[in-house]
Amino acid sequence: QSVLTQPPSVSETPGQRVIISCSGSGSNIGSHVVNWYQEVPGTAPKLLIYDSNQRPSGVPDRFSGSKSGTSASLAISGLQSGDEADYYCAAWDDVLNGVVFGGGTKLTVL
Amino acid sequence: EMQLVESGGGLVKPGGSLRLSCAASGFTFNSYNMNWVRQAPGKGLEWVSSISSTSTYIYYADSVRGRFTISRDNTKNSLYLQMNSLRAEDTAIYYCARTYRAYCSVTSCYEHASWGQGTLVTVSS
Repeated sequence: QSVLTQPPSVSETPGQRVIISCSGSGSNIGSHVVNWYQEVPGTAPKLLIYDSNQRPSGVPDRFSGSKSGTSASLAISGLQSGDEADYYCAAWDDVLNGVVFGGGTKLTVL
Repeated sequence: EMQLVESGGGLVKPGGSLRLSCAASGFTFNSYNMNWVRQAPGKGLEWVSSISSTSTYIYYADSVRGRFTISRDNTKNSLYLQMNSLRAEDTAIYYCARTYRAYCSVTSCYEHASWGQGTLVTVSS
């Protein structure tokens, strides 16, 4: 059972927009920024969003992040087949005094 | 080019020990917080430990606290993870990861921006 809750899977068709949610509590998302990662099986994860809504250099602006209260979301627009991957959110947790990850969401591009 | 290369993984019996290393190159190692993150087979990502740029601040996941020790040698541009009293549930690919930003606190900058290729640790009798 992960501290941060994500839907196990989402799916959408190419060109459309999908949103992946991440729900936490006051000790993590409610107090700290959220980071988002993309993981293609067999490869190392890739940072997509940091500080809840900032993109590292090289990440397309099709990826965007937001946070409100104890929840955060990752939006991917203009879906491409190459976006099929597992997506994870993460935040610092003051109770656990460490980083907590969501359980991951598998994105399928139909 | 920035690079992180892990080594030291392998097969170990329950109760045994391993020391993982992460050799860094292509950036100013002593300016960045460093982290270990693991992924068990077929499972999600799990943060293991973080260390600040000068080793002043160190944090561990509850699952490894008291058994694992993170350290770094800035003169050798290297990060380490000493793993003792290993359990079957420690079986995972272990990644070292660097934060995106330099010169910030571990509790503020915990974005894992650059990752090594990972090293597999298998704990089994």
